[in-house]
Amino acid sequence: GENVEQHPSTLSVQEGDSAVIKCTYSDSASNYFPWYKQELGKRPQLIIDIRSNVGEKKDQRIAVTLNKTAKHFSLHITETQPEDSAVYFCAASIPHKAAGNKLTFGGGTRVLVKP
Amino acid sequence: EPEVTQTPSHQVTQMGQEVILRCVPISNHLYFYWYRQILGQKVEFLVSFYNNEISEKSEIFDDQFSVERPDGSNFTLKIRSTKLEDSAMYFCASRAGSPEAFFGQGTRLTVV
Repeated sequence: GENVEQHPSTLSVQEGDSAVIKCTYSDSASNYFPWYKQELGKRPQLIIDIRSNVGEKKDQRIAVTLNKTAKHFSLHITETQPEDSAVYFCAASIPHKAAGNKLTFGGGTRVLVKP
Repeated sequence: EPEVTQTPSHQVTQMGQEVILRCVPISNHLYFYWYRQILGQKVEFLVSFYNNEISEKSEIFDDQFSVERPDGSNFTLKIRSTKLEDSAMYFCASRAGSPEAFFGQGTRLTVV
């Protein structure tokens, strides 16, 4: 089945700097790649996603890139702010498989933005 | 904004007891999921549910687990005889026709 690896597991950045989190996936049939942000004690929140028919997507300070050939995708956060501190999860989904579309998650990255 | 809600937020149970975790998915959503996260580990898929039946389940989802949508609004996960290793955060998620899935806040299950 699908396997998603995520790096780094922890990331400490100075406020205003950029943060980059990288994920790789194993199943070339995956075509949907969401990113979730989870603050302490709260639900995972979908912050951005990308489908395999595009290579890059941007939403204000966050962007996601996808390289289908290499089977990896990345989350980029620019001009980081203390409220960006959270655990970020990448995930991959194979569509239309028994109507499941289950998500396979990476291990998470704990991001700390230092003021 | 509609949200997936889960109850209880924390459940402590004795080993061997049955537990039922409850979820109210977003009302117009069609696909429902349970995931779990053991402390310090990845979020793992347990089961997906569509059209009143299980559409996919993982190896974790053995005979001790069952899901039900009893009344058209609730979606429950039952663990028949809990083990210590069932201690985890359990997340419910739902989605409409598009792939974007929305998660509940989780139920922390502690088996003692």
